[in-house]
Amino acid sequence: DQQVKQNSPSLSVQEGRISILNCDYTNSMFDYFLWYKKYPAEGPTFLISISSIKDKNEDGRFTVFLNKSAKHLSLHIVPSQPGDSAVYFCAAYNAGKSTFGDGTTLTVKP
Amino acid sequence: GAVVSQHPSRVICKSGTSVKIECRSLDFQATTMFWYRQFPKKSLMLMATSNEGSKATYEQGVEKDKFLINHASLTLSTLTVTSAHPEDSSFYICSANEQGSGSPLHFGNGTRLTVT
Repeated sequence: DQQVKQNSPSLSVQEGRISILNCDYTNSMFDYFLWYKKYPAEGPTFLISISSIKDKNEDGRFTVFLNKSAKHLSLHIVPSQPGDSAVYFCAAYNAGKSTFGDGTTLTVKP
Repeated sequence: GAVVSQHPSRVICKSGTSVKIECRSLDFQATTMFWYRQFPKKSLMLMATSNEGSKATYEQGVEKDKFLINHASLTLSTLTVTSAHPEDSSFYICSANEQGSGSPLHFGNGTRLTVT
Protein backbone atom coordinates (compact mmCIF):
# COMPACT_ATOMS: atom_id res chain seq x y z
CA ASP A 1 0.00 0.00 0.00
CA GLN A 2 1.66 3.18 -1.18
CA GLN A 3 1.09 5.92 1.39
CA VAL A 4 2.26 8.80 -0.81
CA LYS A 5 1.13 8.95 -4.41
CA GLN A 6 1.99 11.20 -7.28
CA ASN A 7 -0.45 10.14 -9.95
CA SER A 8 1.04 12.14 -12.79
CA PRO A 9 4.35 10.67 -13.93
CA SER A 10 5.01 13.67 -16.15
CA LEU A 11 3.96 17.25 -16.76
CA SER A 12 4.88 19.62 -19.56
CA VAL A 13 4.32 23.38 -19.39
CA GLN A 14 5.37 26.43 -21.33
CA GLU A 15 7.94 28.79 -19.90
CA GLY A 16 6.31 31.58 -17.91
CA ARG A 17 3.17 29.59 -17.16
CA ILE A 18 2.22 27.91 -13.89
CA SER A 19 3.28 24.35 -13.07
CA ILE A 20 1.09 22.46 -10.63
CA LEU A 21 2.34 19.19 -9.23
CA ASN A 22 0.01 17.08 -7.14
CA CYS A 23 0.46 14.60 -4.34
CA ASP A 24 -2.01 12.49 -2.35
CA TYR A 25 -1.41 10.65 0.89
CA THR A 26 -3.28 8.18 3.04
CA ASN A 27 -1.73 8.45 6.51
CA SER A 28 -3.29 11.23 8.57
CA MET A 29 -0.41 11.00 11.06
CA PHE A 30 2.13 12.65 8.78
CA ASP A 31 3.61 15.75 10.48
CA TYR A 32 5.37 17.44 7.60
CA PHE A 33 5.25 17.36 3.86
CA LEU A 34 8.23 18.20 1.72
CA TRP A 35 9.01 18.63 -1.93
CA TYR A 36 12.35 17.63 -3.36
CA LYS A 37 13.76 18.29 -6.80
CA LYS A 38 16.07 15.86 -8.56
CA TYR A 39 18.25 16.31 -11.62
CA PRO A 40 19.67 13.28 -13.44
CA ALA A 41 22.72 11.70 -11.77
CA GLU A 42 22.27 13.84 -8.67
CA GLY A 43 20.62 13.31 -5.32
CA PRO A 44 17.33 15.06 -4.54
CA THR A 45 17.54 18.54 -3.09
CA PHE A 46 15.05 20.05 -0.70
CA LEU A 47 12.73 22.62 -2.21
CA ILE A 48 9.95 23.58 0.20
CA SER A 49 7.99 22.08 3.07
CA ILE A 50 4.77 22.57 4.97
CA SER A 51 3.71 21.58 8.43
CA SER A 52 0.51 19.60 8.79
CA ILE A 53 -0.97 22.46 10.80
CA LYS A 54 -0.64 24.92 7.94
CA ASP A 55 -2.43 25.11 4.62
CA LYS A 56 -0.01 27.20 2.62
CA ASN A 57 3.68 27.97 2.50
CA GLU A 58 5.29 30.27 -0.02
CA ASP A 59 8.93 30.73 -0.97
CA GLY A 60 9.59 32.88 -3.99
CA ARG A 61 8.19 31.21 -7.08
CA PHE A 62 7.24 28.09 -5.12
CA THR A 63 4.06 27.66 -3.11
CA VAL A 64 2.85 24.50 -1.45
CA PHE A 65 -0.81 24.06 -0.57
CA LEU A 66 -2.10 21.46 1.87
CA ASN A 67 -5.69 20.24 2.03
CA LYS A 68 -5.81 17.95 5.04
CA SER A 69 -9.43 16.96 4.65
CA ALA A 70 -8.68 15.73 1.14
CA LYS A 71 -5.23 14.41 2.10
CA HIS A 72 -3.85 16.29 -0.84
CA LEU A 73 -1.02 18.70 -1.41
CA SER A 74 0.20 20.54 -4.42
CA LEU A 75 3.27 22.46 -5.47
CA HIS A 76 2.80 25.54 -7.60
CA ILE A 77 5.68 27.01 -9.55
CA VAL A 78 5.06 30.37 -11.14
CA PRO A 79 6.44 31.53 -13.43
CA SER A 80 7.95 28.26 -14.62
CA GLN A 81 11.45 28.39 -16.03
CA PRO A 82 13.35 25.90 -18.22
CA GLY A 83 15.76 25.33 -15.31
CA ASP A 84 12.84 23.96 -13.30
CA SER A 85 12.80 20.90 -15.55
CA ALA A 86 13.52 18.00 -13.20
CA VAL A 87 11.85 15.18 -11.28
CA TYR A 88 9.86 16.41 -8.31
CA PHE A 89 9.28 14.12 -5.34
CA CYS A 90 6.64 14.64 -2.74
CA ALA A 91 7.57 13.29 0.70
CA ALA A 92 5.69 12.93 3.95
CA TYR A 93 7.34 12.72 7.35
CA ASN A 94 6.28 10.91 10.50
CA ALA A 95 8.01 9.08 13.35
CA GLY A 96 11.52 9.65 12.09
CA LYS A 97 10.88 8.50 8.55
CA SER A 98 10.20 10.14 5.23
CA THR A 99 7.97 8.37 2.70
CA PHE A 100 8.32 9.37 -0.92
CA GLY A 101 6.02 9.39 -3.91
CA ASP A 102 7.13 8.04 -7.29
CA GLY A 103 7.96 11.49 -8.61
CA THR A 104 6.67 13.69 -11.41
CA THR A 105 8.93 14.66 -14.28
CA LEU A 106 8.39 18.32 -15.08
CA THR A 107 9.45 19.67 -18.46
CA VAL A 108 9.34 23.42 -18.99
CA LYS A 109 9.52 24.31 -22.65
CA PRO A 110 11.17 27.58 -23.70
CA GLY B 1 24.47 24.51 2.86
CA ALA B 2 24.91 21.05 4.29
CA VAL B 3 26.60 18.56 2.03
CA VAL B 4 26.38 14.80 1.96
CA SER B 5 29.01 13.04 -0.08
CA GLN B 6 28.48 9.53 -1.42
CA HIS B 7 31.13 7.35 -3.00
CA PRO B 8 31.47 5.71 -5.45
CA SER B 9 29.02 7.21 -7.91
CA ARG B 10 29.12 4.13 -10.12
CA VAL B 11 30.32 0.61 -9.54
CA ILE B 12 30.21 -2.55 -11.60
CA CYS B 13 30.92 -5.83 -9.91
CA LYS B 14 30.62 -9.52 -10.57
CA SER B 15 28.03 -11.76 -8.99
CA GLY B 16 29.12 -13.08 -5.64
CA THR B 17 31.37 -10.17 -4.74
CA SER B 18 30.69 -7.51 -2.12
CA VAL B 19 30.50 -3.78 -2.66
CA LYS B 20 30.89 -1.03 -0.08
CA ILE B 21 29.25 2.36 -0.49
CA GLU B 22 30.28 5.27 1.71
CA CYS B 23 28.15 8.18 2.84
CA ARG B 24 29.74 11.16 4.55
CA SER B 25 28.27 14.30 6.04
CA LEU B 26 30.89 16.90 5.19
CA ASP B 27 30.00 19.88 7.34
CA PHE B 28 27.68 18.58 9.99
CA GLN B 29 27.36 15.65 12.35
CA ALA B 30 24.70 13.10 11.61
CA THR B 31 23.68 10.70 14.35
CA THR B 32 21.22 9.21 11.91
CA MET B 33 21.59 8.52 8.22
CA PHE B 34 19.13 6.90 5.87
CA TRP B 35 19.76 4.49 3.02
CA TYR B 36 17.35 4.41 0.12
CA ARG B 37 17.06 2.34 -3.02
CA GLN B 38 15.44 3.65 -6.14
CA PHE B 39 14.06 1.51 -8.95
CA PRO B 40 13.57 3.05 -12.40
CA LYS B 41 10.72 5.55 -12.44
CA LYS B 42 9.86 4.66 -8.88
CA SER B 43 10.08 6.36 -5.53
CA LEU B 44 12.91 6.26 -3.07
CA MET B 45 12.36 3.17 -0.96
CA LEU B 46 13.77 3.42 2.56
CA MET B 47 15.97 0.41 3.23
CA ALA B 48 17.30 1.19 6.66
CA THR B 49 18.05 3.87 9.21
CA SER B 50 21.69 3.98 10.20
CA ASN B 51 22.31 4.94 13.82
CA GLU B 52 25.71 6.10 15.00
CA GLY B 53 27.14 3.73 17.56
CA SER B 54 24.31 1.22 17.40
CA LYS B 55 22.65 -1.24 15.08
CA ALA B 56 20.82 -0.07 12.02
CA THR B 57 17.05 -0.32 11.85
CA TYR B 58 15.94 -2.17 8.74
CA GLU B 59 12.65 -1.79 6.95
CA GLN B 60 10.42 -4.78 6.46
CA GLY B 61 11.59 -6.98 3.64
CA VAL B 62 15.19 -5.74 3.65
CA GLU B 63 17.72 -8.45 4.48
CA LYS B 64 20.10 -7.13 7.09
CA ASP B 65 22.67 -9.85 6.35
CA LYS B 66 22.58 -8.86 2.71
CA PHE B 67 22.83 -5.13 3.21
CA LEU B 68 25.29 -4.50 6.01
CA ILE B 69 25.24 -1.03 7.50
CA ASN B 70 27.94 0.44 9.70
CA HIS B 71 27.74 3.91 11.24
CA ALA B 72 31.02 4.13 13.10
CA SER B 73 31.29 7.90 13.40
CA LEU B 74 29.09 10.98 13.35
CA THR B 75 30.08 11.72 9.76
CA LEU B 76 30.31 8.32 8.09
CA SER B 77 27.89 5.51 7.33
CA THR B 78 28.66 2.62 5.01
CA LEU B 79 26.39 0.21 3.17
CA THR B 80 27.92 -3.08 2.05
CA VAL B 81 26.02 -5.18 -0.45
CA THR B 82 27.24 -8.69 0.27
CA SER B 83 27.36 -11.53 -2.25
CA ALA B 84 25.83 -9.29 -4.87
CA HIS B 85 23.44 -10.68 -7.46
CA PRO B 86 22.15 -9.05 -10.66
CA GLU B 87 18.84 -8.30 -8.94
CA ASP B 88 20.76 -6.06 -6.52
CA SER B 89 21.56 -3.76 -9.42
CA SER B 90 19.96 -0.45 -8.57
CA PHE B 91 20.49 3.14 -7.55
CA TYR B 92 21.39 3.45 -3.88
CA ILE B 93 21.25 6.82 -2.18
CA CYS B 94 21.98 8.01 1.33
CA SER B 95 20.70 11.00 3.24
CA ALA B 96 20.95 12.71 6.61
CA ASN B 97 19.19 15.41 8.60
CA GLU B 98 21.37 18.33 9.54
CA GLN B 99 19.04 19.69 12.18
CA GLY B 100 17.66 16.48 13.52
CA SER B 101 14.45 14.62 13.16
CA GLY B 102 11.84 16.26 10.94
CA SER B 103 14.15 18.66 9.17
CA PRO B 104 14.71 18.31 5.42
CA LEU B 105 17.00 15.56 4.28
CA HIS B 106 20.30 16.23 2.56
CA PHE B 107 21.04 13.60 -0.03
CA GLY B 108 24.20 12.23 -1.52
CA ASN B 109 24.39 11.96 -5.29
CA GLY B 110 23.72 8.25 -5.21
CA THR B 111 25.56 5.14 -6.35
CA ARG B 112 24.60 3.25 -9.48
CA LEU B 113 25.39 -0.42 -8.80
CA THR B 114 25.50 -2.88 -11.67
CA VAL B 115 26.06 -6.54 -10.89
CA THR B 116 27.06 -8.67 -13.86
